[in-house]
Amino acid sequence: GENVEQHPSTLSVQEGDSAVIKCTYSDSASNYFPWYKQELGKRPQLIIDIRSNVGEKKDQRIAVTLNKTAKHFSLHITETQPEDSAVYFCAARGWEGGATNKLIFGTGTLLAVQP
Amino acid sequence: DAGVIQSPRHEVTEMGQEVTLRCKPISGHDYLFWYRQTMMRGLELLIYFNNNVPIDDSGMPEDRFSAKMPNASFSTLKIQPSEPRDSAVYFCASRDGGGTLSYEQYFGPGTRLTVT
Repeated sequence: GENVEQHPSTLSVQEGDSAVIKCTYSDSASNYFPWYKQELGKRPQLIIDIRSNVGEKKDQRIAVTLNKTAKHFSLHITETQPEDSAVYFCAARGWEGGATNKLIFGTGTLLAVQP
Repeated sequence: DAGVIQSPRHEVTEMGQEVTLRCKPISGHDYLFWYRQTMMRGLELLIYFNNNVPIDDSGMPEDRFSAKMPNASFSTLKIQPSEPRDSAVYFCASRDGGGTLSYEQYFGPGTRLTVT
């Protein structure tokens, strides 16, 4: 089955700097890669996603890039703000001989934006 | 829409007791997922349903765990008997599957379970 690895586990940046979180996946057939943000004590919420037919997607200060050859995808946050502080999870759509409806989550990255 | 609703929000119980967690998905969503979140194991999928039918329960840790979805607007996750290692936050999520290209899962607020 699909396996997703996420790095780093913690990331501290100064306000205004950029933050990059990277994930790798195991099944080259996987075709959907979302990123969820979870604030302390809250539920995970989707912030951006990308499908395998595009290499990059941008939404204001957030972007995701996908390298299908290397089987990795990254979240880029520019001009970080204190409210960006949260745990970020990457995920990949499960693939078990065919597409499943499962999301396989990475282990999460705790992002701290220092004012 | 009120979003995914879970109850209770917090549950404290003693080892050996039965625990029932409840979830109401977003109206019209035909996929429902149960997750468990711990510091050690992260966010784990336990089971998911499509149109009230269990599709994949490979993440259910053992026979002490069971889940049902008697209708499109209600699901339960039961632990019997509960053990301290079951302490975690349990999330329910739902997704629209009918004719949409979105795979976004909408999470409920979670139930924080503590087993002493």
